[in-house]
Amino acid sequence: DAKTTQPTSMDCAEGRAANLPCNHSTISGNEYVYWYRQIHSQGPQYIIHGLKNNETNEMASLIITEDRKSSTLILPHATLRDTAVYYCIVRATDSWGKLQFGAGTQVVVTP
Amino acid sequence: SQTIHQWPATLVQPVGSPLSLECTVEGTSNPNLYWYRQAAGRGLQLLFYSVGIGQISSEVPQNLSASRPQDRQFILSSKKLLLSDSGFYLCALDFDEKLFFGSGTQLSVL
Repeated sequence: DAKTTQPTSMDCAEGRAANLPCNHSTISGNEYVYWYRQIHSQGPQYIIHGLKNNETNEMASLIITEDRKSSTLILPHATLRDTAVYYCIVRATDSWGKLQFGAGTQVVVTP
Repeated sequence: SQTIHQWPATLVQPVGSPLSLECTVEGTSNPNLYWYRQAAGRGLQLLFYSVGIGQISSEVPQNLSASRPQDRQFILSSKKLLLSDSGFYLCALDFDEKLFFGSGTQLSVL
């Protein structure tokens, strides 16, 4: 699976949009980009995933560059409950559950 | 919708003691099931996965074993715990191209 690179941490003001970048320059054509988040002492929670088109759901938006070498997760209106570690993962389609979690980005939303 | 039950939430065990963590799922049949571990300050690591009853694949060599005696039951075991087995253990299932996690067991080996 392709490796991903994320910033170690970032802060965001409550009510503002949070833009979380992820680089995956070695991504293959059949690999999806997934985002999960983990609130302290809880299991990770699925946020969103995409292959090449931009995606949006009730939690976030995913913007994937045309060359697919990077992506951005957008939390449109961050709340204090969005404070968590956010993981960007790329994964092929042969086994959805065998994910390689890196260190992720620690996002702290401040009042 | 699918539900994952894990217990206990926390566990403190002495070195050399046995371990049995149970995970049961509801709301889906013949799921692919996974055990992940997260050591303190580290990322999640896949330990085992199972595509059906009696079918177990190990991702890393370790002091642990897994079993799947029933379709919706996944068990993580050890005969003798080591200090390095401490961590946050998570059971998960994959459904609709997504991975869903249980609430986890925080294991401290002393």
